[in-house]
Amino acid sequence: DVKVTQSSRYLVKRTGEKVFLECVQDMDHENMFWYRQDPGLGLRLIYFSYDVKMKEKGDIPEGYSVSREKKERFSLILESASTNQTSMYLCASSWGSGNQPQHFGDGTRLSIL
Amino acid sequence: AQTVTQSQPEMSVQEAETVTLSCTYDTSESDYYLFWYKQPPSRQMILVIRQEAYKQQNATENRFSVNFQKAAKSFSLKISDSQLGDAAMYFCAYRSGYNQGGKLIFGQGTELSVKP
Repeated sequence: DVKVTQSSRYLVKRTGEKVFLECVQDMDHENMFWYRQDPGLGLRLIYFSYDVKMKEKGDIPEGYSVSREKKERFSLILESASTNQTSMYLCASSWGSGNQPQHFGDGTRLSIL
Repeated sequence: AQTVTQSQPEMSVQEAETVTLSCTYDTSESDYYLFWYKQPPSRQMILVIRQEAYKQQNATENRFSVNFQKAAKSFSLKISDSQLGDAAMYFCAYRSGYNQGGKLIFGQGTELSVKP
């Protein structure tokens, strides 16, 4: 089974802090994704990566950056955390495209105080 | 840009009954894929079922089936013989057949409760 591991289930940080969310997958997937999940809005794509060191902006990239130095690891960075970034963050990975499903991590519930 | 709409924020079904969750999408593309994902409370999101746009036959996975109406851009999920474990948030998602990386566009979600 594919395993996508997010470093924290719950995280509390303060406004202005630099926050790192880590995601690791164990299936040699090409693609990795970071989503934000908010009630009534579904999942919105922040950034994705289709290869090492490659990244593309999703629908809501403002205030975020990403890093993919190794194929298995995809990091989401909140450069200066703000209260409106309090949310559930989901990481996913997939092999190729087409009908290949994305596999999700357990999510990180991030609170910015 | 493509959009996905789930117009039912909440649905309820009696155990052993059948329920249908609605999903509509908007696209001008001819090559695409549609998915239903399930997110149980405090648990991982998992794939329920998928459909290729080029296939006319509706996908089926055990008690889960879809009604894919390509002309109407509708992709509903039918759950038969509902079980307590089906209670979850369900998301409909669209993937373009043209974009690199295979990103998904999600609907707002439908929260399904199952009554014993």
